[in-house]
Amino acid sequence: ETGVTQSPTHLIKTRGQQVTLRCSSQSGHNTVSWYQQALGQGPQFIFQYYREEENGRGNFPPRFSGLQFPNYSSELNVNALELDDSALYLCASRQQGRDTEAFFGQGTRLTVV
Amino acid sequence: AQRVTQPEKLLSVFKGAPVELKCNYSYSGSPELFWYVQYSRQRLQLLLRHISRESIKGFTADLNKGETSFHLKKPFAQEEDSAMYYCALSQYNNNDMRFGAGTRLTVKP
Repeated sequence: ETGVTQSPTHLIKTRGQQVTLRCSSQSGHNTVSWYQQALGQGPQFIFQYYREEENGRGNFPPRFSGLQFPNYSSELNVNALELDDSALYLCASRQQGRDTEAFFGQGTRLTVV
Repeated sequence: AQRVTQPEKLLSVFKGAPVELKCNYSYSGSPELFWYVQYSRQRLQLLLRHISRESIKGFTADLNKGETSFHLKKPFAQEEDSAMYYCALSQYNNNDMRFGAGTRLTVKP
């Protein structure tokens, strides 16, 4: 059984640029959620994908977008990067259903300069 | 709106002492509550959830709907319990899980 993997582990971008972060879900999981964790804060829910459709979204602007692929892996895209986008981005996968455990990746540390 | 509050950013206890990490929530429906833990240099992982009513690593948490709380307790803290603890709440089917800001627990020898 493989765990949740995220790439890259670290990334530095310039303000105004665009970035794509990737997540491979755990084997057998069909639901992927993305979170932003700023320094000293808990993870903040960005959105969730189930069977390639977004089925939940937190309070993030449209420049945060995502995709889920047929193999259930996922991408998080952020356009027009701002300095405040600097954070750890976490991906979590699970099997859709009540009370199923979400497994987290190690995260991608994004720094916007 | 869903909201999770962990009033203590830092908590320090001695080994063998009882520990309680506080979590309060606001939610209009029937929430599902979780505790997640992050040990040093490890990924975030589920510690326990209210629906299963289990004890993990000696930790328990009782959902008190009257006080809207889900405090995490352990009668005798161990040094290996030192970690970051996050309380989380979600709707049915775990959509839109909301996390608290976390409490860093340090257990001193």
